[in-house]
Amino acid sequence: QLQLQESGPGLVKPSETLSLTCTVSGGSISSSSYYWGWIRQPPGKGLEWIGSIYYSGSTYYNPSLKSRVTISVDTSKNQFSLKLSSVTAADTAVYYCARQSLRKISSSWYNWFDPWGQGTLVTVSS
Amino acid sequence: QSVLTQPPSASGTPGQRVTISCSGSSSNIGSNTVNWYQQLPGTAPKLLIYSNNQRPSGVPDRFSGSKSGTSASLAISGLQSEDEADYYCAAWDDSLNGGVFGGGTKLTVL
Repeated sequence: QLQLQESGPGLVKPSETLSLTCTVSGGSISSSSYYWGWIRQPPGKGLEWIGSIYYSGSTYYNPSLKSRVTISVDTSKNQFSLKLSSVTAADTAVYYCARQSLRKISSSWYNWFDPWGQGTLVTVSS
Repeated sequence: QSVLTQPPSASGTPGQRVTISCSGSSSNIGSNTVNWYQQLPGTAPKLLIYSNNQRPSGVPDRFSGSKSGTSASLAISGLQSEDEADYYCAAWDDSLNGGVFGGGTKLTVL
């Protein structure tokens, strides 16, 4: 059974870089069928897709965050990581990692996240 | 402001049928498939419906999804108290070249 687990600091200072890692167990991150994504949820608010990566290193980023986001993959450790630079209080959120099915069939995109990690709360505060 | 529009709340009594709507545009729902997620209090979201109307293994057939044009709906029949949760629709957006979510609908079982 595939499982994902987020890890990283729970507190980051304003203007610094948020760094999180997602460890995948019960399956290979190098599977040709899937992307691996990051999604966040500010307290009491809705979900926001941050970006996704393929095992080869190919990435998609949310345009609203693209200038500050870097997602990378380490296939040897079965992990992928998120870096978000120049954080502010608005970046305080629960950050989730998830496996993403993403494929284009007859001009339509099929895209869903399953399963998800349990999430980790990152607070931006001095 | 979410790209996909959902009502902030919905409610029903046990046994009732409830529907939650999700409105988008030609660049997302109109062109691509829709998914629904259920988020129980204090937990991570869980995939409920994918590819407009497909249920993952283990999801009861009380849950069903549909899509028409630039809108989609999630229907829950035989409402149960454990269905009380937040529900999110999602799709790929061709203009943004990325995934988008609805703002979420809080379902209350009265």
